[in-house]
Amino acid sequence: DGGITQSPKYLFRKEGQNVTLSCEQNLNHDAMYWYRQDPGQGLRLIYYSQIVNDFQKGDIAEGYSVSREKKESFPLTVTSAQKNPTAFYLCASSIRPNQPQHFGDGTRLSIL
Amino acid sequence: QKEVEQDPGPLSVPEGAIVSLNCTYSNSAFQYFMWYRQYSRKGPELLMYTYSSGNKEDGRFTAQVDKSSKYISLFIRDSQPSDSATYLCAMSGRTSYDKVIFGPGTSLSVIP
Repeated sequence: DGGITQSPKYLFRKEGQNVTLSCEQNLNHDAMYWYRQDPGQGLRLIYYSQIVNDFQKGDIAEGYSVSREKKESFPLTVTSAQKNPTAFYLCASSIRPNQPQHFGDGTRLSIL
Repeated sequence: QKEVEQDPGPLSVPEGAIVSLNCTYSNSAFQYFMWYRQYSRKGPELLMYTYSSGNKEDGRFTAQVDKSSKYISLFIRDSQPSDSATYLCAMSGRTSYDKVIFGPGTSLSVIP
């Protein structure tokens, strides 16, 4: 079955720690995205990548970093510079940037 | 003014009611229109996808686009408790470099 896999489902971060959220897709999509969703809020774009080895900042990139070394994978690192990391993080992919996105089931990040 | 606006609700209806969910937008270049359903603690799933103006029906769901008014709607007939979720509209332009823009979502509860 084709889809997007995010792991882990739940993640806890200690003060001063960097954590990495995994996102893998087997849909053969070129474009991938990371969103942050806070309770009762819409989706806010963190980073996106249209092709391998290329990515752009979204609306709230500060305190986050990404890499796109393989078409299938787009990991997100939440750095210690992100002072309010508690949120639901969603990864998505699409054939092209203007086409519908397919989402994973998210990672819930909390501070210990 | 935000590019895509959506009443956040919450909207509460009795089982069997017809539900109307709406979005307005400001960018006349939008050509692709989508509706997503998001259950609690899950990623959004694509429900309906239309190009340009007109109606599209899929089972109990009908998507309607009025480009002259910059207004899109999703109708749910014979609503069920399983329809209780947050519904997000999304739209994008014609070129492959245009990004998908999401509305903030409307929370719907269908009461048995």
